[in-house]
Amino acid sequence: AQKVTQAQTEISVVEKEDVTLDCVYETRDTTYYLFWYKQPPSGELVFLIRRNSFDEQNEISGRYSWNFQKSTSSFNFTITASQVVDSAVYFCALIKNYGGSQGNLIFGKGTKLSVKP
Amino acid sequence: NAGVTQTPKFRILKIGQSMTLQCAQDMNHNYMYWYRQDPGMGLKLIYYSVGAGITDKGEVPNGYNVSRSTTEDFPLRLELAAPSQTSVYFCASSNDRSGGNTIYFGEGSWLTVV
Repeated sequence: AQKVTQAQTEISVVEKEDVTLDCVYETRDTTYYLFWYKQPPSGELVFLIRRNSFDEQNEISGRYSWNFQKSTSSFNFTITASQVVDSAVYFCALIKNYGGSQGNLIFGKGTKLSVKP
Repeated sequence: NAGVTQTPKFRILKIGQSMTLQCAQDMNHNYMYWYRQDPGMGLKLIYYSVGAGITDKGEVPNGYNVSRSTTEDFPLRLELAAPSQTSVYFCASSNDRSGGNTIYFGEGSWLTVV
C-alpha cells in the first residue's frame, strides 16, 4: 500500500529562521513521482515541486530546497530564511507512474507552518 | 490563464438537498479529478475521468456522481447531502495521468451541510 507521512502537524518559527518539513513515503513501486504543495490561508493549492523516483538530485529554488533520499524514503522540504508569507499548510504527495495510476495523488496530512514576525 | 475554474466557492446545503459543483478547465487536458479535503487532512480522490464520456470511482465515491460530456467540464453532483459531506472540494486536471506533468488544481469549493 502507498502512504505518505508528515509527522510534524504544526511548526512555529520566527522570521528568518530556517525550517525543514519532513515527508516519509511508502511504496512498492520502483517508478513514482513525489510532490510538494502549499496551501495558504486563502485555501488554494499551489504546486511547488515534482520529483521522479529516478532523480535523487537535490533541488533549490530561491529560498526553497528539497532533499530526496530513496534510501530512507524521504522527501524533505527546507525553507531558508523563512518569511511571514511562508505561513501555510504544506502537503507532500505521491503518485504512481504507470498506466493504472489514474492520477491518484496520495497526500500526507499536511504540516501547518506558522512564521511569526 | 483561467486554468481550472470551480463554482461556487462557498455553499451551505441543508441535509437531503442536492447540488452540483461545477468544474471547467481551458487547458485541453484529458484527465480531470475531484478531491475532497476534510479538516486537518490531505486530499482524497472522489472520482476521476480520463476523457470525455469516461469516468471512474476514486477512493471515496459514495454519495457523489460525475459526468464528462465535454473535455472542458467535469461537474460533481451531490445527491441527498449529508453532514459527512461537509468538506472542501478541489477539482484538478492534467494532460498526463502518470504524474509526469503537473496536476493543476482549482481554488476549491467550501461546502457545509447543516
